[in-house]
This record gives sequence, structure tokens and C-alpha cells, in this order.
Amino acid sequence: GDSVTQMEGPVTLSEEAFLTINCTYTATGYPSLFWYVQYPGEGLQLLLKATKADDKGSNKGFEATYRKETTSFHLEKGSVQVSDSAVYFCALSDNTGGFKTIFGAGTRLFVKA
Amino acid sequence: DAGVIQSPRHEVTEMGQEVTLRCKPISGHDYLFWYRQTMMRGLELLIYFNNNVPIDDSGMPEDRFSAKMPNASFSTLKIQPSEPRDSAVYFCASSQTGDSNQPQHFGDGTRLSIL
Repeated sequence: GDSVTQMEGPVTLSEEAFLTINCTYTATGYPSLFWYVQYPGEGLQLLLKATKADDKGSNKGFEATYRKETTSFHLEKGSVQVSDSAVYFCALSDNTGGFKTIFGAGTRLFVKA
Repeated sequence: DAGVIQSPRHEVTEMGQEVTLRCKPISGHDYLFWYRQTMMRGLELLIYFNNNVPIDDSGMPEDRFSAKMPNASFSTLKIQPSEPRDSAVYFCASSQTGDSNQPQHFGDGTRLSIL
């Protein structure tokens, strides 16, 4: 069945460092891919999305490219801030055979000043 | 625009008691989802509705759990009787359509502690 695998955390970086959080997926159809972010005490909120191969989603300095050949959707940011400290979830949505969204396990990011 | 609204934000009760969690989805959204989040199991989909009709409840852990959506603006998740292992954060989410490119909009969750 469909699945999402993302790198285990926590990831600890210093402010202004480069961030990569790896995400790979398996899917039978042609899913849409998402990154969600969860700040402490809040629900998940959409960070960015890509709906077809080679699309690049971007928001707030974060970006991710839908790579069908490597079944990946890695999240990157060139210079992280303390305020980026949160849990990041990779997800896919595939309506083949019925509606479903699959979330990864989440990666916690700590950014130190 | 108002987002997804959940109540209460926190609930602490003793085992054996009935617990009712409430959710108001975003107006105009046709899909409503209930999730449970724990450290051990991550984010689990419990049940989802389309136009107030339950579509898939295969994630509901036991008969102690039930969910209803009497109208387009309100849903409840009920646990009766509650047990300590039900302690978790419960999220409600809604989406505008069932298209795979539509994101889900989450509420801030209900943190449930069963003593």
C-alpha cells in the first residue's frame, strides 16, 4: 500500500544553517505531495504542496520538488531561524481506489540561536 | 476566515467516564476528519465524513469510540467508557473537496488525559 517515510529526528541546527529533511514515498497512483508544519500546542498547517512530477512547492523560504524518478519530496531551506523550530510532516494524497491521505511520522527540528 | 474550531482544548477525566470532543469545520468544506496523535503511534486517522456521512471508520480503535456529524457545521467524537490508553491529542480537520490536491485544515486539537 501507499506509504511515506521521512528522516527520523530530532534535527538540531544553528540559526542560518541549511536545512534538508528527507521524504520518500510509495504510491500506486499519481499522488499529490504535501509538507505540513506543527508548532507546539497547535494543529498541523499546510506549508507547501506539489501536485505533479517536477512541480516545486515553496513557501516562507521552504521549498520541495516532486521527484517521480526517485519518489522523493525533500524539504529544504537555505537559512533556518529559531522560529522554524517545529515538527514537519511529509504527506501524500492519492484518490486511487478511494480518498486517502498518508502522513509520515514527523521530523522534529530544533534551531539554536 | 475562522479555521477549524475544536473544544475543549484540554480535558482531564477519570477512567470509565464518558468523553465528548467537538469540532466545527470550516464553512463550505465537504470533508471532515478525526485524527489521534501520540508519541508512540504518530498521527492516526480514526474516521472521516463526506457531506455528513461517515465514509471510512476503519481507524476507530474499538467500539468504545463513536463519531457523529449531525449537520455540516458540527461533529462529535465520543469515548465511552474512557481508558488511560486513550490519552492523546485528538485533531479534527476539514477539506473543501475530496480532490487529492486539496490540503486538510486542522484545528488546534483537544489534549485528552484519562487518569
